[in-house]
Amino acid sequence: AQSVTQPDIHITVSEGASLELRCNYSYGATPYLFWYVQSPGQGLQLLLKYFSGDTLVQGIKGFEAEFKRSQSSFNLRKPSVHWSDAAEYFCAVSYTGFQKLVFGTGTRLLVSP
Amino acid sequence: EPEVTQTPSHQVTQMGQEVILRCVPISNHLYFYWYRQILGQKVEFLVSFYNNEISEKSEIFDDQFSVERPDGSNFTLKIRSTKLEDSAMYFCASSEGRGLDTEAFFGQGTRLTVV
Repeated sequence: AQSVTQPDIHITVSEGASLELRCNYSYGATPYLFWYVQSPGQGLQLLLKYFSGDTLVQGIKGFEAEFKRSQSSFNLRKPSVHWSDAAEYFCAVSYTGFQKLVFGTGTRLLVSP
Repeated sequence: EPEVTQTPSHQVTQMGQEVILRCVPISNHLYFYWYRQILGQKVEFLVSFYNNEISEKSEIFDDQFSVERPDGSNFTLKIRSTKLEDSAMYFCASSEGRGLDTEAFFGQGTRLTVV
């Protein structure tokens, strides 16, 4: 079955430290991959997406993600976390090429001073 | 910046009651979606809607659910007779197009609690 796994429910990172959020997807010939962020009281906001080409993609707010086909992964990274990055992060996949997304359960990021 | 707006932010309803969740998509968008997230579980696709018709629905979207665009601006999700397991966060989204070359914009969600 098509699925997305975010193995970490909560992550706490110190402000200024680096961050990596994990995402694995089930097999798909051409997965279209996304990361969304939800800050408290806000909607899901698109951070970045990968369709093809360079496997390292840059997004908004200083985030990047790397697609690794061999590992079926699309991990999200940020070199230096800010307190405002505290939010819930969702990895999502489209297997159809259309706006029907399969989401993970989300990872809640806490930023400590 | 245009945004998708959902009301109410939190709705509490008694089991068996009908509930309508409301969404105002971005004005020039043509495709509309509902997703839901049961606490601790994945965000799940429910339905997509275009040109006043359902274009795709998941197996979750059974006869208890319906969607409507009653007045050209609102997009609603109705649950006819709520069950305890309908308690979830419901997200509305809209996009200009159906393909992934356009971005889907999501609302902040409505938390539905069925008691």
